[in-house]
Amino acid sequence: GESVGLHLPTLSVQEGDNSIINCAYSNSASDYFIWYKQESGKGPQFIIDIRSNMDKRQGQRVTVLLNKTVKHLSLQIAATQPGDSAVYFCAEKSGGSYIPTFGRGTSLIVHP
Amino acid sequence: SAVISQKPSRDICQRGTSLTIQCQVDSQVTMMFWYRQQPGQSLTLIATANQGSEATYESGFVIDKFPISRPNLTFSTLTVSNMSPEDSSIYLCSVGVGANTDTQYFGPGTRLTVL
Repeated sequence: GESVGLHLPTLSVQEGDNSIINCAYSNSASDYFIWYKQESGKGPQFIIDIRSNMDKRQGQRVTVLLNKTVKHLSLQIAATQPGDSAVYFCAEKSGGSYIPTFGRGTSLIVHP
Repeated sequence: SAVISQKPSRDICQRGTSLTIQCQVDSQVTMMFWYRQQPGQSLTLIATANQGSEATYESGFVIDKFPISRPNLTFSTLTVSNMSPEDSSIYLCSVGVGANTDTQYFGPGTRLTVL
């Protein structure tokens, strides 16, 4: 069936470096994508989203890139800080469905 | 966005008992959902909580085990019935907001341990 998956389950970076978290999706009908951050002991927190009519969207220190040709989504975090340490989930939805499909999650570890 | 609270934040329960988790939202929302997140895993949708009608359950989840109430547009409860250690998990409430209720926002979760 259709699925959403992540390439790297764990990513370790040094403070101040840029982080890139990747996500592959297989549902070509997906038209809305979301990144969530989940810190230990907390619920997932919305970070940024993008629709399929865009290939790039920027927020504060974060950028999401969407490549529909290869069904690939990435989250870039600039100047990564220890507070960015968390598990990051991508999620995708297709038109007509109000329920997103969540990826497996990537654990980002930021070393001071 | 929406501010979502859950009670309790955590609990330790004995097998065979039941626990009811409450979810409160600070604004009226059409769509409310309940998820389960087992340790180190992603999120699995249990059901959609429908206001004024029975919840819509996903495959593998049944009403007898996870009864859900949705008395109004700001509140829902999930009961985990006849618990076993396999029910140990984080239970998350979420709401859909936005023009098409596309974006889901999550509560802080309820960490359940069943002994």
